[in-house]
Parts: sequence; structure tokens; C-alpha cells
Amino acid sequence: DTEVTQTPKHLVMGMTNKKSLKCEQHMGHRAMYWYKQKAKKPPELMFVYSYEKLSINESVPSRFSPECPNSSLLNLHLHALQPEDSALYLCASSQSSYNEQFFGPGTRLTVL
Amino acid sequence: GQNIDQPTEMTATEGAIVQINCTYQTSGFNGLFWYQQHAGEAPTFLSYNVLDGLEEKGRFSSFLSRSKGYSYLLLKELQMKDSASYLCAVRPDSNYQLIWGAGTKLIIKP
Repeated sequence: DTEVTQTPKHLVMGMTNKKSLKCEQHMGHRAMYWYKQKAKKPPELMFVYSYEKLSINESVPSRFSPECPNSSLLNLHLHALQPEDSALYLCASSQSSYNEQFFGPGTRLTVL
Repeated sequence: GQNIDQPTEMTATEGAIVQINCTYQTSGFNGLFWYQQHAGEAPTFLSYNVLDGLEEKGRFSSFLSRSKGYSYLLLKELQMKDSASYLCAVRPDSNYQLIWGAGTKLIIKP
């Protein structure tokens, strides 16, 4: 299995909703990432988990809350988002910090 | 500061060859990656360079010169499906962060 899966593919939520994005990989990778990507921009790193521990938090607002239940799963909990948070949210994984990152297909999030 | 420069857009003809350049100024260097991204889809890994020289992988090749802070991605025998954005990313040190270029949109014409 050489892919990263993400659910849902699309999500529309209001500013008062609570939702979660899910990511899964079965490649035995030890690092997992959350990125945010706006149209015509490169991916913007949000969080990195290494060996199930939060390694990097790029000063992301607290309305985004990551969770790594085990080495294969990564969640991103969303609460009280703003319309400007609408973007493509990408999950990625890599064997280590020295290896290439494999991206999931992303969740297209729209905040109304 | 950290900076990566790539051309914004390039146009090429089906069957031809195109070279996409990437120059970088980063605090350190621990590898350079090229990714392909079709519109609305996730980035797909293409190549990795950490030592000077050329890495070839089928129709795609990537070159690195660390002394010049320069890389290029060479695409041969262009196909319509190669129309996409190509992102250059540098790992400046041993942690997990990548510095990303803004991407080059490649348009292939028949």
C-alpha cells in the first residue's frame, strides 16, 4: 500500500460548526504532516508529527487542533473557523525527515 | 531569509523538451525536491537531489548545482498530461520543514 488517504474529499461548514479531517497511511512512515494550500500558492506547513508526537506547529491558530491517535492515523479538528480558512487541506507522510513526502488527495474545505 | 525562485509560467509543444529552472537562497541545504501538481489535485513526488549532478527517471531528469544554488527539471517527449504546476522545494536543515517555490505552471500545446 503506497498511498495516503484522506476523508472527506469535500467539506462545507459554518463558522460555528465542529468537524474533523482524517488521514491514514499504511506505509510505515514515522512522520505525518498537515498542509494548507490556497489556489495558485504552494503548500503551507501547519503541523508535523514525528513518531506520534507533535514536532512542529507553525504558529497555527487554536481553531485548528491536530491529533495523532497512532502511527497510521492523523486527524485535524476544526472549530469556529473563518471564511479565510477555506482551502485545500493536504495530509502527507514520509519515512523520515530525509525522505520525500507522499501527499494524500486532500480535503477541499469551504467555510461559510 | 529563505527564498526560492521559479518562472511563473512556461509554454511548450507536445513532443518537445522543456527545462524548468529553480534557484534558491536558504540558510542551509539538505536536499531539493521536485513535485508535480495537477489543478485541484495533490502534489506528486518527482525527484530528489542532494548531491551535485543529474538524476534521471524516465522522461524526467533533475539537475543540481549546490555551489550555484540552482536546479532544473527537464521534461522530455512532452505529453498533454504533463500540463501541470511544477513545484521546487528545498529542505534547509535536518528537520521536516520544506521551503517551497511558488511553482511553475507548464502549458503544453498540441
